[in-house]
Amino acid sequence: EVHLVESGGGLVQPGGSLRLSCAASGFTFRTYSMNWVRQAPGKGLEWLSYISGGSSTIYYADSLKGRFTISRDNDKNSLYLQMNSLRAEDTALYFCARNDVNYFGYWGQGTLVTVSS
Amino acid sequence: QSVLTQPPSVSAAPGQRVTISCSGSSSNIENNYVSWYQQLPGTAPKVLIYEDNKRPSEIPDRFSGSKLGTSATLGITGLQAGDEADYYCATWDSTLYGVVFGGGTHLAVL
Repeated sequence: EVHLVESGGGLVQPGGSLRLSCAASGFTFRTYSMNWVRQAPGKGLEWLSYISGGSSTIYYADSLKGRFTISRDNDKNSLYLQMNSLRAEDTALYFCARNDVNYFGYWGQGTLVTVSS
Repeated sequence: QSVLTQPPSVSAAPGQRVTISCSGSSSNIENNYVSWYQQLPGTAPKVLIYEDNKRPSEIPDRFSGSKLGTSATLGITGLQAGDEADYYCATWDSTLYGVVFGGGTHLAVL
């Protein structure tokens, strides 16, 4: 059974940094592209970033303006999101999602990031 | 303002049929596959429809997807109380070079 478990969220001050992790199990992690998607409180879904199985292809949403970096460690079956220069508007529930060719086939339960002083 | 436009809310009675629209452009919906997601309160999204009109095996055939030009539609028949949720469309945008979501539609089963 496919499992995606996010961690690393928490309360951080504006301008601070945070590194999110997503632990994957139940499938051959290295053969799947992965994504990060977030949802601000009471708002809709926002795609953030994509990384291919071998990390050779990476995409980011324009709105991130270079503040976030996606990466993965296939030996540890883990996906990461390094978030820098955090702002209040980055407050959201952050999901990792497996890319099943043309859609997000599996999602984690999310980790909450709160940016506040 | 989302790249893909969905109605904020729709409602219908149990047993009825409802459709949710998703409007985009030639850089997204018209030339890329559309997927639809259901998000029940307090849970992660779940895929209902992928590649415009395909259903994962565990999704009942009450859910259907279609696409015509720059618009896509999710259809739900035989509405049940458990279908009350938020629904999102998504696709790749060839100009933005990223995935775009609709703003979401809340379905109320009256």
